[in-house]
Amino acid sequence: NAGVMQNPRHLVRRRGQEARLRCSPMKGHSHVYWYRQLPEEGLKFMVYLQKENIIDESGMPKERFSAEFPKEGPSILRIQQVVRGDSAAYFCASSPGHSQETQYFGPGTRLLVL
Amino acid sequence: LAKTTQPISMDSYEGQEVNITCSHNNIATNDYITWYQQFPSQGPRFIIQGYKTKVTNEVASLFIPADRKSSTLSLPRVSLSDTAVYYCLVGDLQGGGNKLTFGTGTQLKVEL
Repeated sequence: NAGVMQNPRHLVRRRGQEARLRCSPMKGHSHVYWYRQLPEEGLKFMVYLQKENIIDESGMPKERFSAEFPKEGPSILRIQQVVRGDSAAYFCASSPGHSQETQYFGPGTRLLVL
Repeated sequence: LAKTTQPISMDSYEGQEVNITCSHNNIATNDYITWYQQFPSQGPRFIIQGYKTKVTNEVASLFIPADRKSSTLSLPRVSLSDTAVYYCLVGDLQGGGNKLTFGTGTQLKVEL
C-alpha cells in the first residue's frame, strides 16, 4: 500500500524556467493538499484540490503558481518563471475525505532556483 | 484558525519521558488538536489527535485539560530516532478547515 508519492525529489531550475511538481495521492484518496516549507520554518498551506476541482487556493501566490488535479493522473503544482525566492521544499498531502481526516504527507520535492 | 505556541527546542536523553506542551488559548469549540512529527528531508507524519482528556496510541499520549487551552504531547522512553521537529496544530474537524496551519514546531534533540 504505497504512500503519497512525489517526484522529482529534487529539482534544479534557473531563474525564468518552469518547475512542475507531481504528486500521486495514496490509493483511495481523492483530496490533495500542497504546502511549502522554507528553511527553518513550518509548512505553509498553498492549495487544496479534489479531483478536477480547486477547493481552496487561499495560500497560493496570485501569479506564476497554478495547481491541478485531473481526473486521471497525478496532481501537478506548476511554477512559471521561477525566481530564487521559490527555492523551498514543496510537500503534497492526501486524505480520503472532506472533514479534516488525517492528512498523509509525501517526501517532498526540494526546488532549488539558481 | 487558533494560533499555537510551543517551545522552540527541547533536549533529552535516551530512555527519558519527554513532554511537549502547546498553548492554544483561542481554541474553538469544534477544533481538534493534532500533533505531527517531521524528520529532516521528510514530510510530516501524523502522531496523534484528540479533542479532550487523554488519548493514547502506540507512539504517544496526548493530555488535554478541561479548558482545552493547552495540550501536552508525551513521548515515553525516547530514543535517538525520536530526534525531530514536533508540530502542534489546532483546527476545525467539520468542514471548511482542511488546511493545516503549522507553526515553527519544537525541535526535540535526544542524546545518549
